[in-house]
This record gives sequence, C-alpha cells and structure tokens, in this order.
Amino acid sequence: SAVISQKPSRDICQRGTSLTIQCQVDSQVTMMFWYRQQPGQSLTLIATANQGSEATYESGFVIDKFPISRPNLTFSTLTVSNMSPEDSSIYLCSALRVRGTGNTIYFGEGSWLTVV
Amino acid sequence: TQLLEQSPQFLSIQEGENLTVYCNSSSVFSSLQWYRQEPGEGPVLLVTVVTGGEVKKLKRLTFQFGDARKDSSLHITAAQTGDTGLYLCAGTGNTGKLIFGQGTTLQVKP
Repeated sequence: SAVISQKPSRDICQRGTSLTIQCQVDSQVTMMFWYRQQPGQSLTLIATANQGSEATYESGFVIDKFPISRPNLTFSTLTVSNMSPEDSSIYLCSALRVRGTGNTIYFGEGSWLTVV
Repeated sequence: TQLLEQSPQFLSIQEGENLTVYCNSSSVFSSLQWYRQEPGEGPVLLVTVVTGGEVKKLKRLTFQFGDARKDSSLHITAAQTGDTGLYLCAGTGNTGKLIFGQGTTLQVKP
C-alpha cells in the first residue's frame, strides 16, 4: 500500500491570501489527483496532476485559481489562490498506482482550510 | 460526462437494523469502489468490484455490482454504532479518473 502525507492538515487563512498544500507519496505512483470536499459531502475532482506538465482541470476549476505542480512521481502541490470564504473546504490528494494485478487508489487524510 | 447517483443521501437507523445504499449510473464503469470516511480522515477503501454480477462480502457488509456494470449496492446487516460514517461509491471512468457519487451519511443510533 502507499502512504500519502498531506500538509498542512488544517489551517485558518485570511481572505485574499494564497495557501499551498503539499502531497507526498511514499512510493512512485502513476497518477495523482486533487479533490475538494465540503464536510459531510462527496468529493469533487479539481484536477489531475501531470508529472512535468500542466495539470488537467475539471470543468469549473482553472489554473489561475488552483495552480498545481507535480515535479516528480511522488510529490505534488495544490495552491488555493486569492482565497475567499467559499474556498473553505477539505482538499484531498489522491494517488493511483497501476499494476498488472489491478489499479489501486490511495487518499491522503486531507487538508482542512477555513477562510476568514 | 459519467455520473453516479447515490441514494439515500442521509440515513438514520437503530442499531440492529439492516440497510442498503444504492449507486446508479447510465454509464458503464470498468470498476466500482466503495469507501467509508470518518470526520477528519480521508476515504478508506472498503471494496472494489470489477465483474458484472459480482458479489463481495466483508463481514456484515455485502457489495454487489450490477450485471451491466452500471450500478452497485452496499447492504449492511445488523448495523452497529461503529458503522456510522460517510459512505461513498466511486467508479473508474473511461478516462481513468475516479468519479464519486454524492455520498450517504449513515447514523446508527444505539
């Protein structure tokens, strides 16, 4: 199994500021994803983090607001830019490992952001 | 766009009761996963089903994948307070991305 470490796990941010969330996987994975989750609700995919190239964003999410980096196979960052209270949410990093025996998806424990 | 409709979204039952959560789509998924999530933690995988008609059991939990691989169900027998949590179904779409249902918040009362 893969272990995913996310930090910060929790933060309170001022309106208008930006915060970068880091995601570190303990072994190489094929794909990495970033999700947003309101408490008690389901996960919404923000983007697929591509190694060495620009992330692929889902409808409703743009690079200027959520810049993503993935410099190697085990690390990615998500920045939430120019934050507003509507950005208060849990942000989850996910990793997909593809093997001959099947695909396995792992999740980090999430980063809980509150914008005030 | 592939979508997963999960129902019910909220469920409050007494300990010992049975329940079923449904996950439906008009699209075919190559596999479907069920997760359970507790507050402050990420989703934890319960099971993956890949074959149409497949049934998997995990103690008191029974998971079924529809013959056409468009729907799935989670049945819990004799629910316990420890089963309380958010249950999520998720399908692997044709682009390799994981598509989530809306989630079911289950509360099991003693």
